Amino acid sequence: ETGVTQSPTHLIKTRGQQVTLRCSSQSGHNTVSWYQQALGQGPQFIFQYYREEENGRGNFPPRFSGLQFPNYSSELNVNALELDDSALYLCASSWGGRGTGELFFGEGSRLTVL
Amino acid sequence: QQQVKQSPQSLIVQKGGISIINCAYENTAFDYFPWYQQFPGKGPALLIAIRPDVSEKKEGRFTISFNKSAKQFSLHIMDSQPGDSATYFCAAKGTYKYIFGTGTRLKVLA
Repeated sequence: ETGVTQSPTHLIKTRGQQVTLRCSSQSGHNTVSWYQQALGQGPQFIFQYYREEENGRGNFPPRFSGLQFPNYSSELNVNALELDDSALYLCASSWGGRGTGELFFGEGSRLTVL
Repeated sequence: QQQVKQSPQSLIVQKGGISIINCAYENTAFDYFPWYQQFPGKGPALLIAIRPDVSEKKEGRFTISFNKSAKQFSLHIMDSQPGDSATYFCAAKGTYKYIFGTGTRLKVLA
């Protein structure tokens, strides 16, 4: 059984650029959620994808968008990067969509915006 | 109403001691309460979890105590070890998302 894998692990962008982060869900899981974790804070929910559709969204602007693919992997896209977007972006997989059970997190992608 | 308040922010415990971390919530619709452990540079790892119809759950040295009427729950780490030094997050599950506490940085002294 493979766990949640994320890429890239670290990246540096400048303000105004765009970034794409990738996630492969744990085998057997059909739901992917993305969280943003600022330094010294708990993870904040961005959105969830189930059956290739956005299933719920947190308090993040539309420049945060995502995709889920038929193999349940997912992408997080952030446009027009701002300095405050610097954070650890965590992907979590689970089973069951809105009735989702336990979350299993990847190691995260550390984004630095200069 | 969507917040989960966690305390203390940091905790120092001697090896062999008991570590206690507390969380409180407001939303009675939350239906699942996990605790996550996070080491520096790593993603959070599920440690133990409880549902609101249970008052206590124990797994090895880790115990969750849950008080539904007070809307509080806590993590107890018995016989704390230096390897337990990490940041701990409580969380509460809503309809489709988890709300996390702000974290407790635990240091266990050898």
